[in-house]
Formats: sequence, C-alpha cells, structure tokens
Amino acid sequence: DVVLTQSPLSLPVTLGQPASISCSSSQSLVYSDGSTHLHWFQQRPGQSPRRLIYKVSNWDSGVPDRFSGSGSGTDFTLKISRVEAEDVGVYYCMQGTHWPHTFGQGTKLEI
Amino acid sequence: EVQLVESGGGLVQPGGSLRLSCAASRFTFSYYHMGWVRQAPGKGLEWVAVIGPDGSAKYYVDSVKGRFTISRDNAENSLFLQMNSLRAEDTAVYYCERDGGSADYWGQGTLVTVSS
Repeated sequence: DVVLTQSPLSLPVTLGQPASISCSSSQSLVYSDGSTHLHWFQQRPGQSPRRLIYKVSNWDSGVPDRFSGSGSGTDFTLKISRVEAEDVGVYYCMQGTHWPHTFGQGTKLEI
Repeated sequence: EVQLVESGGGLVQPGGSLRLSCAASRFTFSYYHMGWVRQAPGKGLEWVAVIGPDGSAKYYVDSVKGRFTISRDNAENSLFLQMNSLRAEDTAVYYCERDGGSADYWGQGTLVTVSS
C-alpha cells in the first residue's frame, strides 16, 4: 500500500502567521493519464472531513485563497498564508491514484 | 448542494452484522463512484470500499475483504455497506463519500460500535 507521511504531526501556530504541512509518498502519485491524485482535507473538531485542495493545487469551491497546495511526484505541501482561528483542526493528505486509497496520519493545527 | 446522509450504525456484538445506508441527493448519483471511509475513535481516516457508477467495479481494503460488501441502488440514489463478522477493530464512524478517488463530498457519518 502507498504510505503517506505527513510532517509535522502537531503544528502550533500564531494567528496571522503562515503555516506549512508536508506530505511525502512512498510511491509516485502520477496516474496513467498524467494527473496526480493527491488531495488535502480539513477536519474541524466534531465535524466531517472537508476537501480543500484536489489534484495537488486546485481549490474546492468556497475554500479561502489563503490555502494553497503544491508539489509533484512524491512530495507535496499545503500552505496557509495567514492562519485564522477557524483553521484549527486536523489536516490530512490523501492519495487516490493507487488502490487502496490512503491518507496521511493527520497534522493537528492549533493556535 | 450535494447531500449524503448515512444511517444504520449502532452497537453490535463481535461476530454480528450491520447494514449501513447512505441516501444521496442533489446530484446525479448514477454518474459517480461512491465509497465508505471510516475513522476509529481518536484516530485517522481509513478507506474501506469503493464502488463504480454502475456497481460492477468494487474495491475493498484488505482488512474487510470477505466480510464487508459494498453495493448501490441507482434507482433509489442509495449506497450500502453490509458488514458481517464484525470485530472490535471495526468500531468507527463510517462516512459515505462521493467520487471514490477524490472524496469531494462527505456525509455526517454514522457510528458503529462493536462490543460485548
């Protein structure tokens, strides 16, 4: 199975400051059609996960542009340009290229 | 907006069975892969199963193969997960998600507790 390794696992941040989460894959996530099925999710306390970024760098509807995704092949990053209080929660990367799809361990962002 | 509403969770003894349902609305259900993802208490997310748009393609994580069966009824816009031979380690919130490989929408989840 593809292993996704996130770092850090805990991310204390100051309001208004930037934050960055890395996701490293044990295999290339490039699909046969050339696309890369690496996505980012946010799970606020007590809520279902919500997709923020799909296929590395595309924003989902309603996602603030302070969130951005980048990377290629096996190394990916989620960045928050200026952290706000509503960003508290756990962030997961997920690969949908290989079955079984897998998630990273999660990064807990706290103010 | 897309709606996914799970039901059918509850307390079941080890070795027992449970059938989860997911009612989908506000999108063309028959066009999409659908899947189930679970989250054990205080833990991360784990894919369980995915089914293709017409129900012919099905994929399972190794830990549930032979015990769980994913199915769908496109006429009723519903997704199902039949869970047999349940174990304590199957205890989790089970989420229904749309689109299989990209999980663009999720339900609110239904809690399955396997305990004697």
